[in-house]
Amino acid sequence: QVQLQESGPGLVKPSETLSLTCTVSGGSISSYYWSWIRQPAGKGLEWIGRLYTSGSTNYSPSLKSRVTMSVDTSRNQFSLRLSSVTAADTAVYYCARGLTGYGHYFDSWGQGILVTVSS
Amino acid sequence: SYVLTQPPSVSVAPGQTARITCGGNNIGSESVHWYQQKPGQAPVLVVYDDSDRPSGIPERFSGSNSGNTATLTISRVEAGDEADYYCQVWDSSSDHRGVFGTGTKVTVL
Repeated sequence: QVQLQESGPGLVKPSETLSLTCTVSGGSISSYYWSWIRQPAGKGLEWIGRLYTSGSTNYSPSLKSRVTMSVDTSRNQFSLRLSSVTAADTAVYYCARGLTGYGHYFDSWGQGILVTVSS
Repeated sequence: SYVLTQPPSVSVAPGQTARITCGGNNIGSESVHWYQQKPGQAPVLVVYDDSDRPSGIPERFSGSNSGNTATLTISRVEAGDEADYYCQVWDSSSDHRGVFGTGTKVTVL
């Protein structure tokens, strides 16, 4: 059973860049899609973006100008960078594996990491 | 952009059936997936591709999708089913992107 674990700073200053890493264990990162999804406290889920292990990416239109995702297959890790953060970016950030059947869905999730944007 | 609308809350007595709807424009032509999220935990996939269940998910969880509404049905509801539930589709119309519903809180009375 694949396991995912988010890591990174829990506190980021406004206007700076949020950087998170997801480490995949129990299976290979190759040949899968990997997504980042976030959830502000008390609110719903928001998809941020996904990447394939070839390096191809898709980003949410509302965040596209600030998001960069990358993968390091040698370390079984993928990463998220979100620039110019504001308080509105405060949320629990999840990494998840994406599978494609008739549609695209998320079958394995990390436990989530709370990132607070504050000076 | 594609919008998925869910009722904010559904209440159900133990042993009864809970039905959670997910509305979207011609959602019947999309593949719908459902997640259960308990407080302080990550979401868990309970139904994918409209009506398939991942291994380990009880048969009490089932899904259907037609027209403008997809439905997650929980039969013989148990106290442990109390959670938030989210529907999700993949919007491939222009930008390829994930879209989540607004979420439904299921309360077991």
